[in-house]
Amino acid sequence: KNEVEQSPQNLTAQEGEFITINCSYSVGISALHWLQQHPGGGIVSLFMLSSGKKKHGRLIATINIQEKHSSLHITASHPRDSAVYICAVRRGGADGLTFGKGTHLIIQP
Amino acid sequence: DAGVTQSPTHLIKTRGQHVTLRCSPISGHKSVSWYQQVLGQGPQFIFQYYEKEERGRGNFPDRFSARQFPNYSSELNVNALLLGDSALYLCASSFPLQRLVNNEQFFGPGTRLTVL
Repeated sequence: KNEVEQSPQNLTAQEGEFITINCSYSVGISALHWLQQHPGGGIVSLFMLSSGKKKHGRLIATINIQEKHSSLHITASHPRDSAVYICAVRRGGADGLTFGKGTHLIIQP
Repeated sequence: DAGVTQSPTHLIKTRGQHVTLRCSPISGHKSVSWYQQVLGQGPQFIFQYYEKEERGRGNFPDRFSARQFPNYSSELNVNALLLGDSALYLCASSFPLQRLVNNEQFFGPGTRLTVL
């Protein structure tokens, strides 16, 4: 079992829909990251969370440390949101990030 | 201000050869991490360097090595290439505050390595 599990693996939705991507992890962490990866490989950091909730534009990220679970929400989704969304955790020290396999999101016009 | 840069962007090698990948962090960033992303998978942590010293290492064989230079740029070296080393190699830099943990990482565009 992977230390970081994401669901769903693939998601296709219509423009304007509210999107939720889930991330569960099985280890103690110091922080959780949500990242966006577009075709061609470039990765952009969206959020870094250690507790609570963060909002940036149409994106909202929440984390429940007790339940070892985080969600990424996209409101009023748009075709330009189409990308792979990756959850990653840092356990502490200098271990680097441990990544989930990603959620491939397609928003259709 | 330039982001994290990596070179080359693409590379084709044959089995048994050696490869060197390069990364320049964002100006002022002192920590560089390397990740391997095989097609269809999430990235896997290879190394973290801070102040020219290795501070963390993932589960990769000794064929993988890296170093960081006084200007904080970094090289990743892979010896005796195998077909399974074909992947996107990502470099990320961060500016550690008081600790190495909980620092936002900024990723470069990656180097796509194909081993034939």
